[in-house]
Amino acid sequence: GNSVTQMEGPVTLSEEAFLTINCTYTATGYPSLFWYVQYPGEGLQLLLKATKADDKGSNKGFEATYRKETTSFHLEKGSVQVSDSAVYFCALSPGSQGNLIFGKGTKLSVKP
Amino acid sequence: EAGVAQSPRYKIIEKRQSVAFWCNPISGHATLYWYQQILGQGPKLLIQFQNNGVVDDSQLPKDRFSAERLKGVDSTLKIQPAKLEDSAVYLCASSLSGQLNTEAFFGQGTRLTVV
Repeated sequence: GNSVTQMEGPVTLSEEAFLTINCTYTATGYPSLFWYVQYPGEGLQLLLKATKADDKGSNKGFEATYRKETTSFHLEKGSVQVSDSAVYFCALSPGSQGNLIFGKGTKLSVKP
Repeated sequence: EAGVAQSPRYKIIEKRQSVAFWCNPISGHATLYWYQQILGQGPKLLIQFQNNGVVDDSQLPKDRFSAERLKGVDSTLKIQPAKLEDSAVYLCASSLSGQLNTEAFFGQGTRLTVV
């Protein structure tokens, strides 16, 4: 079946540190891949996406590359800010209907 | 542009009681989703509507959960009777068409506690 596994949190970093949150997936066919973010007190928001192998999604300094050979979609940012503190969810959409399958989420805390 | 509206934000009920959640999607969005997010887990799809028709309800516990979107706009999710394990955040989302590349926008959710 389809599933998403992402690294356990919480992750605590100092401001300007490098961030990696690992995400791997299992899927039949050719899914689209997403990172969603949930800031404290807010709803889930799309951060970035990639729809085919080798695509790179990017937004707000975050990047993730769709790696079919390793079934991965790791989230990276070169220099995190306190305002990046949030819960990050990796997700896939397995078919044409647009429904999402989420990982468990990784909580990121950035200290000044 | 107004976002996805959900109410109530919080609800506490006793087990075996019934509860209903309401969602108003973004205007013009044909596709509406209900997700359940249990603490410490990612959201799980319960049901997907395209206009007023059900596209996918394979993970909806139909013995106790029901949902409707009668006029193809707002939607109601009901639980009757509630169990302790139904404690979760219920998220509503909408998208323009439900196609692969259209973004889903999420509401802030309703936090349900069953005691």
